[in-house]
Amino acid sequence: NAGVTQTPKFQVLKTGQSMTLQCAQDMNHNSMYWYRQDPGMGLRLIYYSASEGTTDKGEVPNGYNVSRLNKREFSLRLESAAPSQTSVYFCASRGHGTTNEKLFFGSGTQLSVL
Amino acid sequence: AQSVTQLGSHVSVSEGALVLLRCNYSSSVPPYLFWYVQYPNQGLQLLLKYTSAATLVKGINGFEAEFKKSETSFHLTKPSAHMSDAAEYFCAVPPPHSGNTPLVFGKGTRLSVIA
Repeated sequence: NAGVTQTPKFQVLKTGQSMTLQCAQDMNHNSMYWYRQDPGMGLRLIYYSASEGTTDKGEVPNGYNVSRLNKREFSLRLESAAPSQTSVYFCASRGHGTTNEKLFFGSGTQLSVL
Repeated sequence: AQSVTQLGSHVSVSEGALVLLRCNYSSSVPPYLFWYVQYPNQGLQLLLKYTSAATLVKGINGFEAEFKKSETSFHLTKPSAHMSDAAEYFCAVPPPHSGNTPLVFGKGTRLSVIA
């Protein structure tokens, strides 16, 4: 019972490098989300996908792109990483017809941009 | 827009002492309110949920929260702290038009438990 799986767990990048954070869920959920967590800022929504083939911006989308590859997978891409993107990133998912509290979170990706 | 405010980014209590984590919602009464917990190096987990059915809500691990409309509050309490309660706690509220948009989270309160 894997739930929501994020890879990698840790990553160090140099400014300007690119990378993709991977997220996959095995619960047949329709909606998926990417958050970033910073000290004193709580969780901020970057992008979300209500269903396969759709994506929408959240509160802090600048500097990121997303792809909902299929129902299972929702990736987050940093095209040119900046130190301001140093953060812990969480992916979450929710099933169709379930209410908002039934968010399932991955264990996070800790990203440092030097 | 609906929002929640958590008072105190860090709370420290002694083991066995009362835990009180504060959350206030914005003026309009939300249909639901939630507390989530994040243990070190893990994602968030639902701790408890308020609906209009009962103002006092019991959650996992001995936590409970009371909805007080007169104070626009939904504070989280536990009578006796345990070392394993050390975590970050988030209050959350659904957006005005839920649909597929996710919860709005507070900034979080880190709870430390001292032996």
